[in-house]
Amino acid sequence: AQSVSQHNHHVILSEAASLELGCNYSYGGTVNLFWYVQYPGQHLQLLLKYFSGDPLVKGIKGFEAEFIKSKFSFNLRKPSVQWSDTAEYFCAVNDRASGTYKYIFGTGTRLKVLA
Amino acid sequence: SQTIHQWPATLVQPVGSPLSLECTVEGTSNPNLYWYRQAAGRGLQLLFYSVGIGQISSEVPQNLSASRPQDRQFILSSKKLLLSDSGFYLCAWSGQANEKLFFGSGTQLSVL
Repeated sequence: AQSVSQHNHHVILSEAASLELGCNYSYGGTVNLFWYVQYPGQHLQLLLKYFSGDPLVKGIKGFEAEFIKSKFSFNLRKPSVQWSDTAEYFCAVNDRASGTYKYIFGTGTRLKVLA
Repeated sequence: SQTIHQWPATLVQPVGSPLSLECTVEGTSNPNLYWYRQAAGRGLQLLFYSVGIGQISSEVPQNLSASRPQDRQFILSSKKLLLSDSGFYLCAWSGQANEKLFFGSGTQLSVL
């Protein structure tokens, strides 16, 4: 069965610090990869996604993620965080090939950015 | 534009009582529909998903069931709630291109 691991459960950073959140998935087939974000009191929303092509994808608000197939990883990065990036971040995988339409999420990482 | 409605926003129910949470999608047809439960430290757990009317796939054996009586309506139910059913329940949909999930605002269920 597919699974998604997010190793950092809580991260605290000061503004302007760089961010990298780890995400690893366990599935040998062709997958679509996603990062979702949940700001306090708001709906979950898509941050970025990878389907194919350039393994470095750029999303909203200056976030980017790199797909490394050999490492089954899809880490999220941002060079300089802002206080407004305080949120919970979820990595997710979707099995593209089988057509099962299941989206499997990781346990999430709570990011707190100190002003 | 497409919208997703989920209600109620909060619900407090006694142990052993029934449950019915409703989710409807507007502005699209034949969506894929999902129920997730979000718990602190456990992320989003996929409970059920549906690719069409009457088609329900269950991911986790539990005290809950789901139904899809209409194309854009997805219902989460229980005949008898347990304490362990407490949590934050999210409905979501995706289009047939399956490019992303759109989430509802969620229902905070407290079973006492």
